[in-house]
Amino acid sequence: DTGVSQDPRHKITKRGQNVTFRCDPISEHNRLYWYRQTLGQGPEFLTYFQNEAQLEKSRLLSDRFSAERPKGSFSTLEIQRTEQGDSAMYLCASSSLGYEQYFGPGTRLTVT
Amino acid sequence: AQSVTQLGSHVSVSEGALVLLRCNYSSSVPPYLFWYVQYPNQGLQLLLKYTTGATLVKGINGFEAEFKKSETSFHLTKPSAHMSDAAEYFCAVSLNQAGTALIFGKGTTLSVSS
Repeated sequence: DTGVSQDPRHKITKRGQNVTFRCDPISEHNRLYWYRQTLGQGPEFLTYFQNEAQLEKSRLLSDRFSAERPKGSFSTLEIQRTEQGDSAMYLCASSSLGYEQYFGPGTRLTVT
Repeated sequence: AQSVTQLGSHVSVSEGALVLLRCNYSSSVPPYLFWYVQYPNQGLQLLLKYTTGATLVKGINGFEAEFKKSETSFHLTKPSAHMSDAAEYFCAVSLNQAGTALIFGKGTTLSVSS
Protein backbone atom coordinates (compact mmCIF):
# COMPACT_ATOMS: atom_id res chain seq x y z
CA ASP A 1 0.00 0.00 0.00
CA THR A 2 1.84 3.06 -1.26
CA GLY A 3 -0.89 5.58 -0.50
CA VAL A 4 -2.61 8.05 -2.79
CA SER A 5 -0.25 9.74 -5.22
CA GLN A 6 -0.77 12.89 -7.26
CA ASP A 7 1.13 14.31 -10.18
CA PRO A 8 2.42 16.93 -10.60
CA ARG A 9 2.97 18.30 -7.10
CA HIS A 10 3.26 21.84 -8.38
CA LYS A 11 2.03 23.49 -11.57
CA ILE A 12 2.50 27.08 -12.68
CA THR A 13 0.53 28.12 -15.71
CA LYS A 14 -0.51 31.27 -17.47
CA ARG A 15 -4.10 32.42 -17.48
CA GLY A 16 -6.03 30.87 -20.32
CA GLN A 17 -3.97 27.71 -20.55
CA ASN A 18 -5.33 24.22 -19.93
CA VAL A 19 -3.93 22.01 -17.18
CA THR A 20 -4.43 18.36 -16.26
CA PHE A 21 -3.73 16.66 -12.95
CA ARG A 22 -3.50 12.97 -12.24
CA CYS A 23 -4.44 11.00 -9.14
CA ASP A 24 -3.56 7.38 -8.43
CA PRO A 25 -5.67 6.03 -5.55
CA ILE A 26 -4.76 3.29 -3.13
CA SER A 27 -5.02 0.08 -5.10
CA GLU A 28 -8.43 -1.58 -4.95
CA HIS A 29 -10.11 1.53 -3.53
CA ASN A 30 -13.24 1.87 -5.62
CA ARG A 31 -14.14 5.41 -4.51
CA LEU A 32 -12.19 8.47 -5.56
CA TYR A 33 -12.80 12.12 -4.62
CA TRP A 34 -11.45 15.48 -5.73
CA TYR A 35 -11.34 18.48 -3.41
CA ARG A 36 -10.04 22.02 -3.77
CA GLN A 37 -8.35 23.91 -0.95
CA THR A 38 -7.64 27.63 -1.04
CA LEU A 39 -5.41 29.48 1.39
CA GLY A 40 -6.85 29.62 4.89
CA GLN A 41 -9.79 27.38 4.07
CA GLY A 42 -10.69 23.76 4.51
CA PRO A 43 -10.97 21.49 1.49
CA GLU A 44 -14.12 21.86 -0.61
CA PHE A 45 -15.66 18.91 -2.40
CA LEU A 46 -15.55 18.94 -6.21
CA THR A 47 -16.55 15.52 -7.47
CA TYR A 48 -16.76 11.82 -6.61
CA PHE A 49 -16.34 8.56 -8.55
CA GLN A 50 -17.38 5.07 -7.67
CA ASN A 51 -15.35 2.85 -9.97
CA GLU A 52 -15.55 4.61 -13.35
CA ALA A 53 -18.90 6.31 -12.73
CA GLN A 54 -18.94 9.97 -11.73
CA LEU A 55 -21.75 9.97 -9.17
CA GLU A 56 -21.67 13.47 -7.74
CA LYS A 57 -20.47 16.91 -8.82
CA SER A 58 -20.36 20.07 -6.75
CA ARG A 59 -21.69 23.37 -8.08
CA LEU A 60 -18.07 24.52 -7.67
CA LEU A 61 -17.22 22.37 -10.67
CA SER A 62 -17.88 24.82 -13.49
CA ASP A 63 -18.04 23.73 -17.12
CA ARG A 64 -14.32 24.54 -17.43
CA PHE A 65 -13.59 21.60 -15.14
CA SER A 66 -13.83 17.97 -16.20
CA ALA A 67 -12.84 14.81 -14.39
CA GLU A 68 -12.52 11.26 -15.61
CA ARG A 69 -11.73 7.86 -14.22
CA PRO A 70 -11.74 5.77 -17.39
CA LYS A 71 -10.90 2.33 -16.05
CA GLY A 72 -11.88 2.78 -12.45
CA SER A 73 -8.28 3.17 -11.38
CA PHE A 74 -6.47 6.51 -11.79
CA SER A 75 -8.33 9.75 -12.35
CA THR A 76 -7.59 13.00 -14.15
CA LEU A 77 -8.88 16.48 -13.45
CA GLU A 78 -8.65 18.97 -16.30
CA ILE A 79 -9.16 22.71 -16.06
CA GLN A 80 -9.65 24.54 -19.33
CA ARG A 81 -8.97 28.25 -19.85
CA THR A 82 -7.52 28.68 -16.39
CA GLU A 83 -8.30 31.80 -14.39
CA GLN A 84 -6.43 33.32 -11.47
CA GLY A 85 -9.24 32.23 -9.19
CA ASP A 86 -8.36 28.63 -9.99
CA SER A 87 -5.12 28.96 -8.02
CA ALA A 88 -5.44 26.46 -5.18
CA MET A 89 -4.33 23.10 -3.86
CA TYR A 90 -6.19 20.25 -5.59
CA LEU A 91 -6.50 17.22 -3.35
CA CYS A 92 -7.44 13.69 -4.28
CA ALA A 93 -8.71 11.10 -1.82
CA SER A 94 -9.77 7.49 -2.06
CA SER A 95 -11.73 5.07 0.07
CA SER A 96 -12.96 1.51 -0.04
CA LEU A 97 -15.86 0.06 1.91
CA GLY A 98 -15.26 2.19 4.97
CA TYR A 99 -16.08 5.82 5.57
CA GLU A 100 -12.61 7.26 6.00
CA GLN A 101 -10.98 8.93 3.05
CA TYR A 102 -7.24 8.79 2.49
CA PHE A 103 -5.72 11.89 0.94
CA GLY A 104 -2.84 12.39 -1.43
CA PRO A 105 -0.23 15.14 -1.10
CA GLY A 106 -2.08 17.46 -3.45
CA THR A 107 -1.23 19.44 -6.58
CA ARG A 108 -0.62 23.13 -6.01
CA LEU A 109 -1.76 25.18 -8.99
CA THR A 110 -0.61 28.75 -9.51
CA VAL A 111 -2.20 30.72 -12.35
CA THR A 112 -0.25 33.84 -13.33
CA ALA B 1 -27.47 20.77 4.94
CA GLN B 2 -24.42 19.92 6.96
CA SER B 3 -21.82 22.35 8.22
CA VAL B 4 -18.84 22.51 10.55
CA THR B 5 -17.63 25.39 12.70
CA GLN B 6 -14.19 25.36 14.21
CA LEU B 7 -13.90 27.90 16.99
CA GLY B 8 -10.57 29.66 16.94
CA SER B 9 -8.52 29.84 13.78
CA HIS B 10 -5.32 29.80 15.81
CA VAL B 11 -4.52 28.10 19.11
CA SER B 12 -1.19 28.46 20.91
CA VAL B 13 -0.02 26.19 23.71
CA SER B 14 3.20 25.45 25.52
CA GLU B 15 4.90 22.10 25.16
CA GLY B 16 3.38 19.72 27.72
CA ALA B 17 0.14 21.68 28.03
CA LEU B 18 -3.35 20.43 27.24
CA VAL B 19 -4.48 20.79 23.65
CA LEU B 20 -8.17 21.57 23.05
CA LEU B 21 -9.44 22.25 19.53
CA ARG B 22 -13.15 22.97 19.24
CA CYS B 23 -15.53 21.71 16.59
CA ASN B 24 -19.29 22.11 16.37
CA TYR B 25 -21.37 20.61 13.61
CA SER B 26 -24.81 20.95 12.12
CA SER B 27 -26.52 17.95 10.60
CA SER B 28 -30.11 16.91 10.02
CA VAL B 29 -29.19 13.23 10.37
CA PRO B 30 -26.79 11.41 12.69
CA PRO B 31 -23.40 12.42 11.38
CA TYR B 32 -20.10 10.76 10.89
CA LEU B 33 -17.32 12.98 12.25
CA PHE B 34 -13.61 13.15 11.51
CA TRP B 35 -10.49 15.03 12.52
CA TYR B 36 -7.66 15.40 10.02
CA VAL B 37 -4.21 16.96 10.43
CA GLN B 38 -2.28 18.74 7.69
CA TYR B 39 1.41 19.55 7.82
CA PRO B 40 2.80 22.27 5.52
CA ASN B 41 2.67 21.38 1.84
CA GLN B 42 1.23 17.96 2.55
CA GLY B 43 -2.12 16.26 2.21
CA LEU B 44 -4.48 15.47 5.05
CA GLN B 45 -3.90 12.62 7.49
CA LEU B 46 -6.78 11.06 9.38
CA LEU B 47 -6.39 11.43 13.15
CA LEU B 48 -9.62 9.78 14.28
CA LYS B 49 -13.24 9.21 13.36
CA TYR B 50 -16.63 8.73 14.96
CA THR B 51 -19.26 6.66 13.17
CA THR B 52 -21.31 4.76 15.73
CA GLY B 53 -20.81 3.23 19.15
CA ALA B 54 -18.52 4.63 21.83
CA THR B 55 -18.68 8.41 21.90
CA LEU B 56 -15.08 8.81 23.11
CA VAL B 57 -12.78 7.90 20.27
CA LYS B 58 -9.03 7.58 20.39
CA GLY B 59 -6.81 8.35 17.49
CA ILE B 60 -3.18 8.45 16.52
CA ASN B 61 -0.45 10.45 18.25
CA GLY B 62 -2.31 10.54 21.57
CA PHE B 63 -5.31 12.52 20.35
CA GLU B 64 -8.89 11.77 21.30
CA ALA B 65 -12.29 13.33 20.71
CA GLU B 66 -15.70 13.01 22.28
CA PHE B 67 -18.97 13.09 20.35
CA LYS B 68 -21.58 15.03 22.33
CA LYS B 69 -24.90 14.92 20.55
CA SER B 70 -26.64 17.29 22.97
CA GLU B 71 -23.97 19.93 22.34
CA THR B 72 -23.45 19.06 18.65
CA SER B 73 -19.74 19.03 19.37
CA PHE B 74 -16.72 16.90 18.56
CA HIS B 75 -13.80 18.60 20.30
CA LEU B 76 -10.26 17.28 19.88
CA THR B 77 -7.97 16.95 22.88
CA LYS B 78 -4.49 15.80 23.78
CA PRO B 79 -3.27 15.80 27.37
CA SER B 80 0.27 16.94 26.65
CA ALA B 81 1.33 18.88 23.56
CA HIS B 82 4.52 18.05 21.71
CA MET B 83 6.41 20.31 19.35
CA SER B 84 5.64 17.91 16.51
CA ASP B 85 1.90 18.55 16.99
CA ALA B 86 2.22 21.98 15.40
CA ALA B 87 0.08 21.78 12.27
CA GLU B 88 -3.32 22.65 10.78
CA TYR B 89 -6.26 20.64 12.10
CA PHE B 90 -9.54 20.15 10.27
CA CYS B 91 -12.83 18.85 11.58
CA ALA B 92 -15.14 17.26 9.00
CA VAL B 93 -18.64 15.82 8.85
CA SER B 94 -20.35 13.52 6.41
CA LEU B 95 -23.66 11.78 6.03
CA ASN B 96 -23.89 8.38 7.66
CA GLN B 97 -23.39 6.48 4.47
CA ALA B 98 -20.28 5.49 2.62
CA GLY B 99 -19.29 7.37 -0.45
CA THR B 100 -20.46 10.80 0.54
CA ALA B 101 -18.39 13.96 0.48
CA LEU B 102 -16.71 15.35 3.55
CA ILE B 103 -17.69 18.85 4.66
CA PHE B 104 -14.73 20.53 6.32
CA GLY B 105 -14.38 23.37 8.77
CA LYS B 106 -11.99 26.21 8.04
CA GLY B 107 -9.28 24.70 10.17
CA THR B 108 -7.37 25.58 13.32
CA THR B 109 -3.64 26.23 13.31
CA LEU B 110 -1.97 24.80 16.40
CA SER B 111 1.29 26.39 17.51
CA VAL B 112 3.42 24.76 20.22
CA SER B 113 6.10 26.73 22.00
CA SER B 114 8.95 25.37 24.09
